[in-house]
Amino acid sequence: KAGVTQTPRYLIKTRGQQVTLSCSPISGHRSVSWYQQTPGQGLQFLFEYFSETQRNKGNFPGRFSGRQFSNSRSEMNVSTLELGDSALYLCASSLEVAGGPAFFGPGTRLTVL
Amino acid sequence: DQQVKQNSPSLSVQEGRISILNCDYTNSMFDYFLWYKKYPAEGPTFLISISSIKDKNEDGRFTVFLNKSAKHLSLHIVPSQPGDSAVYFCAATNTGANSKLTFGKGITLSVRP
Repeated sequence: KAGVTQTPRYLIKTRGQQVTLSCSPISGHRSVSWYQQTPGQGLQFLFEYFSETQRNKGNFPGRFSGRQFSNSRSEMNVSTLELGDSALYLCASSLEVAGGPAFFGPGTRLTVL
Repeated sequence: DQQVKQNSPSLSVQEGRISILNCDYTNSMFDYFLWYKKYPAEGPTFLISISSIKDKNEDGRFTVFLNKSAKHLSLHIVPSQPGDSAVYFCAATNTGANSKLTFGKGITLSVRP
């Protein structure tokens, strides 16, 4: 079974631009979550989607948004990029079973110049 | 407020010896705990998990122990191998509420040949 895939793997943008990252979950997984990893803050939860609905949201500004499609694929968007948005963005998928693990993709490394 | 804490940033052990990685949590609503291993430029890889109804879970060289009264869990790796050198993240969630994972900041394990 293929793992979680994320595209693109690397991205360079400038301040003020916007970016869209994509995530394809493991086949059969309906829950997709997004995390931001930075050296100082570790992995921080952004949001979770299930059946095209945002089920939970972390403490990030409204510039960070996402959506999920009917095939469970998900995208996240960051508008008006800031230097501090430079990070590794990780997507994780899981079965809708309480107590099951989430499986992560390789991440998208975003650099904002 | 850091709800999951990995207080030691790094650990170095000799190949063949035991590695013990510790994690503390403050949120008594957490009922499912996971350990992830992460190499640079890759997403976290799920290692092992434990439900709060258990106090021990074993999978090959990896064993996780949970002490609910102390709000403490630990990951034991026996025997340690050089390929185990990576960053290890402890994570926790409340399965009744949502799938959000709260991560510790990670500990860098170095296994010396």
